[in-house]
Amino acid sequence: EVQLVESGGGLVQPGGSLRLSCAASGFTFSSYSMNWVRQAPGKGLEWVSFISSSSSTIYDADSVKGRFAISRDNAKNSLYLQMNSLRAEDTAVYYCARDKLYYDILTDSYTGYGMDVWGQGTTVTVSS
Amino acid sequence: AIQLTQSPSSLSASVGDRVTITCRASQGISSALGWYQQKPGKTPKLLIYDVSSLESGVPSRFSGGGSGTDFTLTVSSLQPEDFATYYCQQFSIYPFTFGPGTKVDI
Repeated sequence: EVQLVESGGGLVQPGGSLRLSCAASGFTFSSYSMNWVRQAPGKGLEWVSFISSSSSTIYDADSVKGRFAISRDNAKNSLYLQMNSLRAEDTAVYYCARDKLYYDILTDSYTGYGMDVWGQGTTVTVSS
Repeated sequence: AIQLTQSPSSLSASVGDRVTITCRASQGISSALGWYQQKPGKTPKLLIYDVSSLESGVPSRFSGGGSGTDFTLTVSSLQPEDFATYYCQQFSIYPFTFGPGTKVDI
């Protein structure tokens, strides 16, 4: 079964740090780009970070740039999000999500713009 | 950054209704658009990728369309399990922004 399982969430004080993990199983993790997406209580979805399959390309949302760092360990089938200098507005459920995008040799183009596998989420609460 | 707007922000509908949600991008995004469904307390679920391709396992009553900056998600005949919030997302240029969501309820 294809699965993503997040862990590492919790209560942290403003200015503190937290490291989220996402364990992948049931698919070839090293072949897929991955994302972190968050959802504040009662709010919509917010894309946070992207990392390519080989870690060669990383993108971050402006709201977390310089504070959060996405990384992965393909040997351990794991994705991470190091969160530093946390703020109250970082309070959210954090999801890891697999990027469906792949290169189709037959059509010589990229296809699969969407995130097709999601974890159940881990809750981060930033409060004093 | 590319901004996505969705309309309506919410709608009330009945079982059997045909429902269309619009997603508008602040600039052209080619085919780099997906649609998700999220039910309360649940994980988002991919419905449509590449503007109009149906994700495996998603009922055929869901369809996507559009091009350039204007896109639609249509449910041809609303079922009880379709009452949820729907989001579009663009992948053309990072940040890979989501639309604000459209809540579909009874």
